[in-house]
Amino acid sequence: KQEVTQIPAALSVPEGENLVLNCSFTDSAIYNLQWFRQDPGKGLTSLLLIQSSQREQTSGRLNASLDKSSGRSTLYIAASQPGDSATYLCAVSTGSYKLIFGSGTRLLVRP
Amino acid sequence: DAGITQSPRYKITETGRQVTLMCHQTWSHSYMFWYRQDLGHGLRLIYYSAAADITDKGEVPDGYVVSRSKTENFPLTLESATRSQTSVYFCASSSTGDYGYTFGSGTRLTVV
Repeated sequence: KQEVTQIPAALSVPEGENLVLNCSFTDSAIYNLQWFRQDPGKGLTSLLLIQSSQREQTSGRLNASLDKSSGRSTLYIAASQPGDSATYLCAVSTGSYKLIFGSGTRLLVRP
Repeated sequence: DAGITQSPRYKITETGRQVTLMCHQTWSHSYMFWYRQDLGHGLRLIYYSAAADITDKGEVPDGYVVSRSKTENFPLTLESATRSQTSVYFCASSSTGDYGYTFGSGTRLTVV
């Protein structure tokens, strides 16, 4: 059974710092991996999608990598800002319209 | 604006009552999903639908019923609410089924 783990559960950093969020999964047979952002009381917003054949994806200050063989993905946020404060969730797709989510990393960027 | 709308935003109900959560999308996406989010569990898939009149179970379907008579609507019914169904429920839609998800703002359901 596919399981997705995100460490740390919470992270507090000063503004301007570069940071890395981690996601690990137990079964390397994935269709894709996705990173989402969730603001308090809101739904999820899609940030990055990495297909199983890809190694990384970039969008602005965000870069996500995927290493299927080790069952790991990282989300790198450059030059963090207070507006980046949110919960970040990773999810793997098994290819059958089912996303398996991690529990998320709650990020606080202090001004 | 096109989007995905969930209603109600908040709901308190009593144990044993039937309650229906509504989800409406305006993109005509084929795929729609219901997830529940609980502390320590992340989001877990309850049911999904690949098209009108086609639904299938997710990870935690027990105690829930869905229907999809129209492409744009995907209601979730708790037939006899239990305290363990207290959660935040998210509806999502996608044109592909495996990515390109758009999520609603959620319904916070409390069963007392």
